[in-house]
Amino acid sequence: DAKTTQPTSMDCAEGRAANLPCNHSTISGNEYVYWYRQIHSQGPQYIIHGLKNNETNEMASLIITEDRKSSTLILPHATLRDTAVYYCIVRERNAGNMLTFGGGTRLMVKP
Amino acid sequence: NAGVTQTPKFQVLKTGQSMTLQCAQDMNHEYMSWYRQDPGMGLRLIHYSVGAGITDQGEVPNGYNVSRSTTEDFPLRLLSAAPSQTSVYFCASSYSWGGSSYEQYFGPGTRLTVT
Repeated sequence: DAKTTQPTSMDCAEGRAANLPCNHSTISGNEYVYWYRQIHSQGPQYIIHGLKNNETNEMASLIITEDRKSSTLILPHATLRDTAVYYCIVRERNAGNMLTFGGGTRLMVKP
Repeated sequence: NAGVTQTPKFQVLKTGQSMTLQCAQDMNHEYMSWYRQDPGMGLRLIHYSVGAGITDQGEVPNGYNVSRSTTEDFPLRLLSAAPSQTSVYFCASSYSWGGSSYEQYFGPGTRLTVT
């Protein structure tokens, strides 16, 4: 059973904020939410992760709902180079060196 | 740092042939993994290693062997290539095993076609 549910695809206008949702209704207390992205033909790239507090770094912000059943990745000013598949991954703290990738959301940033 | 490097970038094999996909990292990471990605799909874990001399199976290990004789290198061997192994193969490494702060670094991939 998939731990996360994401829309298959989304569009965003260049310069606008891209808000990518992820449902993880069965998340447990020791599981983190990670976001990776994969630009066409390249290896996945780490973006951000969080447990229950909202997080921000130079790439994006992660908003996790209070019940932790869903989250949103925010790219504040999307550029054409942000066109990629975005993966939301739920992972236990001690799951080790394993990431379970689902289908992800294909984000298309349009001029 | 070069990060994670993979060779070759492209490879075509005939059914039954064997080959080794090379992966190296220069970040002194203990943990390394191999994933495969089929068209339109997410990545699936093949094998992983928590340090030199220690390897374990992932989700889809059949048809593949690995070894880890040094921290830097983690080669993936296809024993007898089959068309079902046509895929893009990614190697990844990370500093930590689990924990709250965790990031995997991925190589550029090897695109393998088995005819």
